[in-house]
Amino acid sequence: QKEVEQNSGPLSVPEGAIASLNCTYSDRGSQSFFWYRQYSGKSPELIMSIYSNGDKEDGRFTAQLNKASQYVSLLIRDSQPSDSATYLCAVYDFGNEKLTFGTGTRLTIIP
Amino acid sequence: GAVVSQHPSRVICKSGTSVKIECRSLDFQATTMFWYRQFPKKSLMLMATSNEGSKATYEQGVEKDKFLINHASLTLSTLTVTSAHPEDSSFYICSAYRDQTEAFFGQGTRLTVV
Repeated sequence: QKEVEQNSGPLSVPEGAIASLNCTYSDRGSQSFFWYRQYSGKSPELIMSIYSNGDKEDGRFTAQLNKASQYVSLLIRDSQPSDSATYLCAVYDFGNEKLTFGTGTRLTIIP
Repeated sequence: GAVVSQHPSRVICKSGTSVKIECRSLDFQATTMFWYRQFPKKSLMLMATSNEGSKATYEQGVEKDKFLINHASLTLSTLTVTSAHPEDSSFYICSAYRDQTEAFFGQGTRLTVV
C-alpha cells in the first residue's frame, strides 16, 4: 500500500521563526508532490507544488524535494500566527490517478 | 487561480431524508472529480472518484447506493447522501484536478443529520 507519512504534531513555533514540516512517501515512482494548508473547519488550500529535486520558493514558503530519500518538506519563514493550521502533504499516483494524503501536521505559531 | 465551488456549505437534515451536494469547477473542465469525507481532527478519506459520462468508482467500504454520485458535465459533479442517518454527519469535500495533477478543493459541506 502506498503511503504518505507526516508527524501529526502538534508543532509549536515562535512567531518570526522558521517552521519546518516533513513528509516521507513510500512510492519511489512518485513524480508530483503538494502541500496543502487546512484551517479548522475549512477545506484544504493548495500552497505549494513541486515536481523536481531541489528547492522551490514562493514568498515565505519553500518546498524541498529529495526523491532519492523519498522526502519532501515545507519551510515557512517568518512564521505568523495566521500560519497556524494543519498542513497536508500529498503525493500524486499516476497509476491510480489519485492523490494520496498524509494525515497532516498541526502547526501552531506562538505570538 | 482555479476555483472549485461547492454548495451548500452547511446543511441540516432529518434522519431518513436525502441531501444533494454540488461541486462545480468554475474556470476549467474536470473530467474527474473526487469526493472526500473528513471526521474531526482526521485526514481526508477518499470516498469515490467521479468520472464525467461514466459510473463513479467507489473506495472499499463506501456504499455506492448510499452515496450516489453523478458527473453530468465537465464542470459539475453531485453527491447525494440517501436516507441519511446521524452517523453520516460529517464534512464532505470535493476536489477537481487542473492539468491532471493539481487538485483544488471546494469549500466543503458540513452535513448534520438530526
